Amino acid sequence: EAAVTQSPRSKVAVTGGKVTLSCHQTNNHDYMYWYRQDTGHGLRLIHYSYVADSTEKGDIPDGYKASRPSQENFSLILELASLSQTAVYFCASRYTISAETLYFGSGTRLTVL
Amino acid sequence: SQLAEENSWALSVHEGESVTVNCSYKTSITALQWYRQKSGKGPAQLILIRSNEREKRNGRLRATLDTSSQSSSLSITATRCEDTAVYFCATGDTNAYKVIFGKGTHLHVLP
Repeated sequence: EAAVTQSPRSKVAVTGGKVTLSCHQTNNHDYMYWYRQDTGHGLRLIHYSYVADSTEKGDIPDGYKASRPSQENFSLILELASLSQTAVYFCASRYTISAETLYFGSGTRLTVL
Repeated sequence: SQLAEENSWALSVHEGESVTVNCSYKTSITALQWYRQKSGKGPAQLILIRSNEREKRNGRLRATLDTSSQSSSLSITATRCEDTAVYFCATGDTNAYKVIFGKGTHLHVLP
């Protein structure tokens, strides 16, 4: 069974602080994704990666950086957290370009105060 | 604007009834996916239907795809309280690496 683990499960951060959200997959999948979920907006793509040491911008990358140091790990970094970044963040992995199914983690609830 | 979008924000049905969630999309696709997200969990795929398929079934679930009208539907028969969830449709972008989700339909199955 595909496994994607996110940490932490929840976090409270202060405005202007640095936040790192981590994602680890044991699926041996090439592709990894970070999505943000807000009420009324569904899931929006922030960053994705199809190979280690390389990341790509999604649809809403402003204010976020991503890091893929290995095939298994994909981090989302908020250098200067803002109130508007309060949301639930989901990481997902995908096997190959021809395999469309995404496998999601359980999410990280981030509250910026 | 959304590449894929469900047509209803929320639906309510009583247990045992059938319900259909509709989705429209804006680009040519190779496949359309339906996901379900239960409270506190990440989305999980229910059905993937490819562009050369008209219908796909998975137990009580039935997905249809109409490429001429760029629409899809997900029907659930004999609904149960545990079907209460948010249902998303998702498609690939012209950039095949990207998977774009609709805003979701909140389904409430009442006892």
